[in-house]
Amino acid sequence: EAQVTQNPRYLITVTGKKLTVTCSQNMNHEYMSWYRQDPGLGLRQIYYSMNVEVTDKGDVPEGYKVSRKEKRNFPLILESPSPNQTSLYFCASSLVGRETVNEQFFGPGTRLTVL
Amino acid sequence: DAKTTQPNSMESNEEEPVHLPCNHSTISGTDYIHWYRQLPSQGPEYVIHGLTSNVNNRMASLAIAEDRKSSTLILHRATLRDAAVYYCILYNSGNTPLVFGKGTRLSVIA
Repeated sequence: EAQVTQNPRYLITVTGKKLTVTCSQNMNHEYMSWYRQDPGLGLRQIYYSMNVEVTDKGDVPEGYKVSRKEKRNFPLILESPSPNQTSLYFCASSLVGRETVNEQFFGPGTRLTVL
Repeated sequence: DAKTTQPNSMESNEEEPVHLPCNHSTISGTDYIHWYRQLPSQGPEYVIHGLTSNVNNRMASLAIAEDRKSSTLILHRATLRDAAVYYCILYNSGNTPLVFGKGTRLSVIA
């Protein structure tokens, strides 16, 4: 089944304790992206990647890191989480085409609480 | 980035058609109009997209104004499962990412 998976789905942690949220897709998509969703603010993009070893900042990259060593994986790293990073996180992927604009497939979400 | 304007919320009766409007007066010639929706407790899912012509798929129809400054997502028969937040997004092929606004929260009444 074509899908985007995220782990963990739920995480409660404490300020300053490094964590990684994994994202994996099995559709051979070039494009992958991370969003966070907060009440009243909608979905905001954190980082995105057009292909392996290519990453770019989205709208709210501060406090986050990403890497794209393999096509299928795009982990989100919080080196020193803070309470303002408490949020619902979504990973997404899509094909990239010069002439076509492809739909993005979203993962189920990771609810992160930083105490 | 070109922006979109959508009503905050709309309500529909079950089994009735729903027309969800979106204004995008600053759209450029290469911007595609995408619609996504987010069901409660789920990630967003793609609904439909178009460039200039009206589009139909199994989920919905997309009507695009001739000047492309507005569009309407049409759900032909709303069901309770269609209750969601619907996002109208302008997307340009290339390196630009999807930019989600606040969307329209659709409530469907049985």
